[in-house]
Amino acid sequence: DAGVIQSPRHEVTEMGQEVTLRCKPISGHNSLFWYRQTMMRGLELLIYFNNNVPIDDSGMPEDRFSAKMPNASFSTLKIQPSEPRDSAVYFCASSLRGGRVPEAFFGQGTRLTVV
Amino acid sequence: QQPVQSPQAVILREGEDAVINCSSSKALYSVHWYRQKHGEAPVFLMILLKGGEQKGHEKISASFNEKKQQSSLYLTASQLSYSGTYFCGTEQRNAGNMLTFGGGTRLMVKP
Repeated sequence: DAGVIQSPRHEVTEMGQEVTLRCKPISGHNSLFWYRQTMMRGLELLIYFNNNVPIDDSGMPEDRFSAKMPNASFSTLKIQPSEPRDSAVYFCASSLRGGRVPEAFFGQGTRLTVV
Repeated sequence: QQPVQSPQAVILREGEDAVINCSSSKALYSVHWYRQKHGEAPVFLMILLKGGEQKGHEKISASFNEKKQQSSLYLTASQLSYSGTYFCGTEQRNAGNMLTFGGGTRLMVKP
């Protein structure tokens, strides 16, 4: 398997623009996580899906952030409108809940810069 | 709720040992340990599922005290390649396998 695939790897956008980050989890995994990493706040869990259903989105900063998982092989994280304070590295991770190998595998991340 | 890690940073000479601690105010189901190199994604090291369990990975091992809701990562005879930021991730009981991470411990191993 190619692992968790995120796109784009880098995104530079102007304040106020819509940004969409994409994630393809490892085939067969049933749990998907979106994290945001900054120097100040570390690795923050934004939202967690299990079997394509959002289970906990209490980490989503505000209404400007939304996430979807229309099927088992694809998820998006959207920021609309974007602000400079959203600049961070966004990671997607997947795991197999109930499996023999329960660890989470991370994608390479999307480095977002909002100017 | 995020677990708390200590120390925040450690500087070692090659061959020295280090301990990184992780604690939670909530009852834990499991503890995961990850290492992240600069500019890269976190990489899984090990998971501890049972109270009192200890696991090892090369010269890196960990323990999990379920009663105290604490875990420790032990790095012995450190190597230059051990440098990076170490994160503990915790799963709470009755929270599915939602994985939340501590603030990280930055480890630098010098020659």
